[in-house]
Amino acid sequence: NAGVMQNPRHLVRRRGQEARLRCSPMKGHSHVYWYRQLPEEGLKFMVYLQKENIIDESGMPKERFSAEFPKEGPSILRIQQVVRGDSAAYFCASSRLQGRRENEQFFGPGTRLTVL
Amino acid sequence: GDSVTQMEGPVTLSEEAFLTINCTYTATGYPSLFWYVQYPGEGLQLLLKATKADDKGSNKGFEATYRKETTSFHLEKGSVQVSDSAVYFCALPAAGNKLTFGGGTRVLVKP
Repeated sequence: NAGVMQNPRHLVRRRGQEARLRCSPMKGHSHVYWYRQLPEEGLKFMVYLQKENIIDESGMPKERFSAEFPKEGPSILRIQQVVRGDSAAYFCASSRLQGRRENEQFFGPGTRLTVL
Repeated sequence: GDSVTQMEGPVTLSEEAFLTINCTYTATGYPSLFWYVQYPGEGLQLLLKATKADDKGSNKGFEATYRKETTSFHLEKGSVQVSDSAVYFCALPAAGNKLTFGGGTRVLVKP
């Protein structure tokens, strides 16, 4: 049973380019979450999606960042016009259930974005 | 709002030493509590969890007890190995399904 898949594992972009990060949840999971880990810091929530719906984007920067989870295919986190401060590890997680007691999230290996 | 506070690292230990990483939380209601571990260059793995007060989660020799009265979920291991070197995160599910993490504690075990 494959876990959460993320690609690419490493992504290098120059300032002003676009970064597209992909996440395929575990089989049977319909809840997807994106987190960002800045160097030497903990993980910060960015966005929570279900199929075709953004449920909570309270952690997303207001500009340049967007996320989607289409009916078919992986979830995509898109960063437009990247800046050096976007350099971080971006982790995707998925869960089968919702609700605070049952919400066990499984994490992917992350995409490490470096902006030159 | 919900929050998690854990002791700052790095924590440096010798092999077979006793490890404690403190974690306290602020939350409405009684959420589940989790410890995640991140090995160098990898993603997070769930280490253990507890779903209600007085529950003890355990895995790979690690233990943590959900203490409602002290709002704590301290992680312990009686005899660490070099392979336990990693960053450990305490976490709880906040409102809206998102996980709220502590800042992480880096543990380095020396032979």
